[in-house]
Amino acid sequence: EVQLVESGGGLVQPGGSLRLSCAASGFTFSSYWMHWVRQAPGKGLAWVSRFNSDGSSISYADSVKGRFTISRDNLKNTLYLQMNSLRAEDTAVYYCVRGIQYGSKYFDYWGQGTLVTVSS
Amino acid sequence: DIQMTQSPSSLSASVGDRLTITCRASQSISNFLNWYQQKPGKAPKLLIYAASSLQSGVPSRFSGSGSGTDFTLTISSLQPEDFATYYCQQSYSTLTFGPGTKVEIK
Repeated sequence: EVQLVESGGGLVQPGGSLRLSCAASGFTFSSYWMHWVRQAPGKGLAWVSRFNSDGSSISYADSVKGRFTISRDNLKNTLYLQMNSLRAEDTAVYYCVRGIQYGSKYFDYWGQGTLVTVSS
Repeated sequence: DIQMTQSPSSLSASVGDRLTITCRASQSISNFLNWYQQKPGKAPKLLIYAASSLQSGVPSRFSGSGSGTDFTLTISSLQPEDFATYYCQQSYSTLTFGPGTKVEIK
């Protein structure tokens, strides 16, 4: 059974940092592109970042470029999101998502999400 | 970035109703269009990928159609568990989602 379990969320002050983790199991983690998608309270979904399977390609949404860093450890089956210079508008539930990259690209498995609150 | 719009933004319907939600892209995206269902407090769930392919395990009352810029998600006979918010997502270029359509009980 595919499982994605996020951790690391919490309350942080504006300008602060936080590191999210996503522990993956039930599939060959190193074979899949992995993404972070976020959802502000009461709002829609927004793609944040992705890391391809072999580690050769990373991409970010403009809203987080230069502040967030995605990484992965294929030996530990874990995806990370280092978030620096956090702003109030980064407040959201952050989902770890498995991506399918052949044919029409889509997200087939989602974690339960971890809440990040940026507030003083 | 490609902008996605959905209509309506919300609707009220009854069990057994046939429902159609529309998604429009700001430029042609071929069939790079996916649909997700999200219930309150839960993660989204994939329903349809590549505009019309039903994800494994999803009931056959869900169907998708369209190509280019205009797409639809249809629920042939609404069930109690279908009351949720539905999002379209394009995967032609930098991934973007539509704003969502909330389906409520009439």
